[in-house]
Order: sequence, then C-alpha cells, then structure tokens
Amino acid sequence: EVQLLESGGGLVQPGGSLRLSCVASGFTFSSYAMSWVRQAPGKGLEWASGISGSGAGTYYADSVKGRFTISRDNSKNTLYLQMNSLRAEDTAVFFCAKASSGNAFDIWGQGTMVTVSS
Amino acid sequence: QSVLTQPPSVSGAPGQRVTISCTGSRSNIGAGFDVHWYQQLPGTAPKLLIFGNSNRPSGVPNRFSGSKSATAASLAITGLQAEDEAGYYCQSYDSSLSGYVFGTGTMVTVL
Repeated sequence: EVQLLESGGGLVQPGGSLRLSCVASGFTFSSYAMSWVRQAPGKGLEWASGISGSGAGTYYADSVKGRFTISRDNSKNTLYLQMNSLRAEDTAVFFCAKASSGNAFDIWGQGTMVTVSS
Repeated sequence: QSVLTQPPSVSGAPGQRVTISCTGSRSNIGAGFDVHWYQQLPGTAPKLLIFGNSNRPSGVPNRFSGSKSATAASLAITGLQAEDEAGYYCQSYDSSLSGYVFGTGTMVTVL
C-alpha cells in the first residue's frame, strides 16, 4: 500500500525550531519529487516547499524561504522539513505529498500539527 | 496569499449539478500549466480528484469532471450526493513565484 506518515509536530515557542519527518512506503521513493503543504486552522492549502527525487533541487514559498530547509534521505525513504525562526503564523497542519509525473500531488500523508505559541 | 481565486461556497440539492471556478492569470493557468483539483473532507487530508485539467484518477466517480480555458479552470459535479459535501481546491504552477499555488478553496454544501 502506498503510504506517507508524518511525525515531529508539536508546540514550540516563537523563534524556536522543529524538524518534521515523513516516511514513505509502497513506491520507489527516490523516483519522485516530494513537497510539504500546510494548512492553517480554518484556512486553505498553501504549498511550502518541494524537493526533486534526487534531492539536488529544492524550492520554497516566499513565506518560508530562509527559515525552512527541505531535505530527503532516499536510503531511509524519508522526507524532512527543518523549520527555524518559527512564527505564530506558521501554526498549521503540515502535510507531506508525493508529486506525480504531471506535478499533481497524488498521495498525501495524514498531516502533523505544528503550533507556535508562547 | 492565493493567486488562484475560487468562490468561497457553492450549494445544490441532491442530484443537481454544481460548478466551481478557478481563476488564475498569465503566469499560471494562462501560461499553459496544468490544473489539478483536490477534495478535502472535514478533518482529513486532501485527495486528488482531477489531474492534468480533466483526468480522473482510478476510483474517482465520473460525476466529477474538469475543464480548462485561457486563464481559468472549472470543476463540475453532476448528480450531487451528500458525500460530496467537502472543501475543493484547484492547484497549478506559477512561473512568477517559481512554485506551486493552490486556489482559495470552495466549500460545497448539499442542501
């Protein structure tokens, strides 16, 4: 079964850091680009960051550029998101998503909640 | 800040047809980038509904259809059912932002 499982969310103070993980199973992980998509409480979806299958290419939304770092370990079938200098407005559910060959997100994880508050 | 605009809500009676618009610009839909649609049931992760403007993944009922023209796209749901009550989002790529963009989202209510 194709599956994505996120972990690492939690409560963090403004200015703090957190690292999210997403473990993939059921497909050849290294063959596909991956992304992190977030959703603030009661709000819509926002693409945050993406990475190519090899990990050589990384991409960020302006809202997280310079603060978040996406990476992957293809030997462990795992995607990461290192989040630094967190702000209250980063509070959201973070989903990892697999990109299909046509750049649609065809597989999603269940999400992990990140709360930035003092 | 979404660059793809959708109506906040649409509603219809069971069995009716509803459409959801997704309006973009020359840097995304108008530049020829594909539009994809997702359904999000309350409290769950989004699910891919339409990819490549008009294609349905395996398992998606043919009640759902997508189309694209110029700088806009639309999702149609025919034969509306109670289980279709959910949030719907369009998505594309934006060359000015060099990243993926989602629509503002539309809540479908079955009366």
